[in-house]
Order: sequence, then C-alpha cells, then structure tokens
Amino acid sequence: SAVISQKPSRDICQRGTSLTIQCQVDSQVTMMFWYRQQPGQSLTLIATANQGSEATYESGFVIDKFPISRPNLTFSTLTVSNMSPEDSSIYLCSVQSPGQYFGPGTRLLVL
Amino acid sequence: KNEVEQSPQNLTAQEGEFITINCSYSVGISALHWLQQHPGGGIVSLFMLSSGKKKHGRLIATINIQEKHSSLHITASHPRDSAVYICAVLNSGGSNYKLTFGKGTLLTVNP
Repeated sequence: SAVISQKPSRDICQRGTSLTIQCQVDSQVTMMFWYRQQPGQSLTLIATANQGSEATYESGFVIDKFPISRPNLTFSTLTVSNMSPEDSSIYLCSVQSPGQYFGPGTRLLVL
Repeated sequence: KNEVEQSPQNLTAQEGEFITINCSYSVGISALHWLQQHPGGGIVSLFMLSSGKKKHGRLIATINIQEKHSSLHITASHPRDSAVYICAVLNSGGSNYKLTFGKGTLLTVNP
C-alpha cells in the first residue's frame, strides 16, 4: 500500500501567477502520475513522472505549462504556470503500488 | 463515445437500500478499478478486479470480461456512502499503467 500527501490542499491564485504542488509518498515508487479533474469532468492524466528522467506528457499538456520535478523515489512536484481561470481544477498525485493510490488532491481556483 | 461509460450519472437512495452502479467499457483491459471520491476531492481505491467478484464489508464488485461490464453493489446503504463512485480501466494494449476513467456516479443516500 501507499499513503500519499499533497500540499497545498487548496489555493486561490491570481491570473498569470504560478503554483507548485507537492506530492509525498510514504514508500519508494517508480512511477508517479499527475491528474487533473476539471469541474464536473472525469480525471485526465497530465503526465507520468519517472525518477531520473524527463516526465512523459499526455496529448494536450506541455512541459512549459506543467513543469514536473521528480528528485527522488518518494517525492514529486507539479507546477501550474501562467495560470488562467481554465486551470481551476483539482490536481491529484497518484502511484501504483501495485494497486492504484491517490493523494487527497489540491483544489485550485484561479481568479 | 467514452471508452468507459457509467450509469446512472446520479443516484438518490434511502438509507438501507441496495444500490447498484454499472460500468461498461469498450477496450481490452488488464484490470478495472472502482474508486470513491468524497466532496473534499480525495480519492480512495475500493477494488481492483481482473475477473470474478470481490467483497469488502458492504461493498461488492463484479466483473464480466466477456461482456465488458462491471457492477458495484452497496448493501444496506448509509448516508456516509454518499460520494462519487468512479470506474477506471487499465488498458491491456499499449502502456499498461494508464487508467481511463468514467465520468463517475454521484450517489446520495438520505437518512
């Protein structure tokens, strides 16, 4: 099993600013996943973060907008850059260990 | 058409009722997850299934691989079961770690 914590749990940000979300896992995992859940929608995979290599981004998501760091096997960050109101979502960190585990999510509101 | 379809989208029940949520998918899968999301946004994995049936407390999940269909049942429902229930599948082709999510079923159990 895996226990995941995320910071911050929620934030309200101004248009044009950036926010970095942290994800901490209580065990070492190879792959960490970042998801976005827009209001009323299902989860969408943003990228897969592998330790020691560049993150792999899904179609429609780019590194300039969502830079990711993965400095070790228990930690990752996702930055939402140059935010607009359309970025208002829940952002979730997830791992497979081997079942699927999710963090509590970060609720982001961009004004 | 979504690769993962859930029904119903919304479900209201009285405490004590037996509840069924359905999930149909159109792709070959290696596993199917049932997830629970409470209003705060955090997601808990309830079951991971590749065949047959699993039971945990009042929750039962079944899957029919030939019919590409899964059901989540809740017996003796309780107001604390109120949440969004999400079906997600792990595709058997291509990358074997990516989940495809249904849009979720909002369950409200009234006392």
